[in-house]
Amino acid sequence: AQTVTQSQPEMSVQEAETVTLSCTYDTSESNYYLFWYKQPPSRQMILVIRQEAYKQQNATENRFSVNFQKAAKSFSLKISDSQLGDTAMYFCAFSNYGGYQKVTFGIGTKLQVIP
Amino acid sequence: KAGVTQTPRYLIKTRGQQVTLSCSPISGHRSVSWYQQTPGQGLQFLFEYFSETQRNKGNFPGRFSGRQFSNSRSEMNVSTLELGDSALYLCASSLETRATNEKLFFGSGTQLSVL
Repeated sequence: AQTVTQSQPEMSVQEAETVTLSCTYDTSESNYYLFWYKQPPSRQMILVIRQEAYKQQNATENRFSVNFQKAAKSFSLKISDSQLGDTAMYFCAFSNYGGYQKVTFGIGTKLQVIP
Repeated sequence: KAGVTQTPRYLIKTRGQQVTLSCSPISGHRSVSWYQQTPGQGLQFLFEYFSETQRNKGNFPGRFSGRQFSNSRSEMNVSTLELGDSALYLCASSLETRATNEKLFFGSGTQLSVL
């Protein structure tokens, strides 16, 4: 069974600064997907970024980028130029290739952006 | 295009009762999955439906069941409610044009409280 571990329950960052959220996972599969989801107070989960394991290049989406270390099974999220709207719960998630949308989530990191 | 709609937003039940939650996916999306979110456990996968067939199921007791209709709308039912069933129940839909992992679009969830 796959597991996803987020070891930082809460983090804070000053507006305009950079913050990195950590995530490790465990799997015996070679093909899989990794995700970071954001859940603001509205409760609606939003996909921030997605990484396919067979791609060595780290995914980026505007101010969001990942550091994917396949051998170390590490998948961290870097948020640059933090904005107040980034305040939310962030979930790291894993899905097997062809896993029919069965996604395994970590327990989340609560990020507070301070003005 | 309307997003994923979950009803009701809030629900209060007592132990032993049963409850039915509803999810309307984004138009054209054929896959619907359900997750249970609790503060200590994060998101736990319940089940996933595609074209009215359950394709995947998480590790939940048989009290948790679901179904999907021909218009892709889905319901989940929890019978004989227990205090531990209190949680936010999230529904997600995806286009599922291929049997590979696609972006999940989440609803805002139904907050269930069992007294």
